[in-house]
Amino acid sequence: DGGITQSPKYLFRKEGQNVTLSCEQNLNHDAMYWYRQDPGQGLRLIYYSQIVNDFQKGDIAEGYSVSREKKESFPLTVTSAQKNPTAFYLCASSPYSNQPQHFGDGTRLSIL
Amino acid sequence: DAKTTQPPSMDCAEGRAANLPCNHSTISGNEYVYWYRQIHSQGPQYIIHGLKNNETNEMASLIITEDRKSSTLILPHATLRDTAVYYCIVEDSGGGADGLTFGKGTHLIIQP
Repeated sequence: DGGITQSPKYLFRKEGQNVTLSCEQNLNHDAMYWYRQDPGQGLRLIYYSQIVNDFQKGDIAEGYSVSREKKESFPLTVTSAQKNPTAFYLCASSPYSNQPQHFGDGTRLSIL
Repeated sequence: DAKTTQPPSMDCAEGRAANLPCNHSTISGNEYVYWYRQIHSQGPQYIIHGLKNNETNEMASLIITEDRKSSTLILPHATLRDTAVYYCIVEDSGGGADGLTFGKGTHLIIQP
């Protein structure tokens, strides 16, 4: 079955460390997205990519970085510059034109 | 600024129709109404979307008022598995190609 795989499901980071969250899709979608969700809140957009080797900042990009070297992969790095990284991180993808987004099951990041 | 307004929570008896309202009084002519839901600790799931005509699929029905300033998502026979946070989102015809804007949604609780 086609879908979006996020790994790991739970991740712990020591202060001062960078950590990378994986997102892979086999839906052949052009566009991919990263969102952050804090408790009791809606999702906020971190970065998005509409095509390979191109990406744009979302509403809360500071302290995060991404790459899009392959169509199926869109990893997110949470850098030490992100002062409050504890959150639920969700990856999504969609066909480029006027179609709904498909979401993975998320990675929950915590600071040790 | 939020484009939509939803009640924070609602209850519905199992087997009954659940009717979830959404106000979007500033919607523009090329903006669609999308509905997603998020079951606890999972990624959001697309439900349905529409422009101005009523829409129905295997999950739900979407009723949009003639002036397009509000809409209602209808789950015809609610089950316990429909307990989730439901998000009403207004986006342009690109389907949120540059990311979706999520509010806090409505927490729907289905009572046995």
